[in-house]
Amino acid sequence: DQQVKQNSPSLSVQEGRISILNCDYTNSMFDYFLWYKKYPAEGPTFLISISSIKDKNEDGRFTVFLNKSAKHLSLHIVPSQPGDSAVYFCAASRVNNDMRFGAGTRLTVKP
Amino acid sequence: DTGVSQDPRHKITKRGQNVTFRCDPISEHNRLYWYRQTLGQGPEFLTYFQNEAQLEKSRLLSDRFSAERPKGSFSTLEIQRTEQGDSAMYLCASSLSGGLKETQYFGPGTRLLVL
Repeated sequence: DQQVKQNSPSLSVQEGRISILNCDYTNSMFDYFLWYKKYPAEGPTFLISISSIKDKNEDGRFTVFLNKSAKHLSLHIVPSQPGDSAVYFCAASRVNNDMRFGAGTRLTVKP
Repeated sequence: DTGVSQDPRHKITKRGQNVTFRCDPISEHNRLYWYRQTLGQGPEFLTYFQNEAQLEKSRLLSDRFSAERPKGSFSTLEIQRTEQGDSAMYLCASSLSGGLKETQYFGPGTRLLVL
């Protein structure tokens, strides 16, 4: 059961522009959402999170937006840098339950 | 503490052999998770421990798989009678339980190839 979906397997943007990665979920019980970044041959690295009581969380160049009514979240990276090129996973969880991941979006930032 | 560590990083084995992986979590973390990731997919939950107690197991965890965390610190994941379909990246993560904002931190993974 694919409770967390990332429908875009890849995204390519120019350096300095905005990257927008999208994620949809189906389980309304999820109350904590995270974005992880993964480089080849490494484990996922935690990037940013948001709880269901908020609709926006910002950390430097990274902002996560949550639209609970649409069961949708997005990650904005501004400005994008070549070092941001990686696979980004969206994840969702609820208290004391396992975390569910999307299939990932490969971001390529071109110089 | 430098984070979650996993050993080995790579393992090649023949079908039918047993393999064991180890995970050392961040020292103050009481929860430890095992995931499996195949190409083009996100990590899939296998099982998790709170201290030494195994609290949840996914239906993905067949009876050939067993995980332990005997002293509530490091954990091992054993796969018996490996099959080619077991080839994947096995990821370990740890966290500190404490309500809504539980963030899991991942190790580098063990890549298993079953020939």
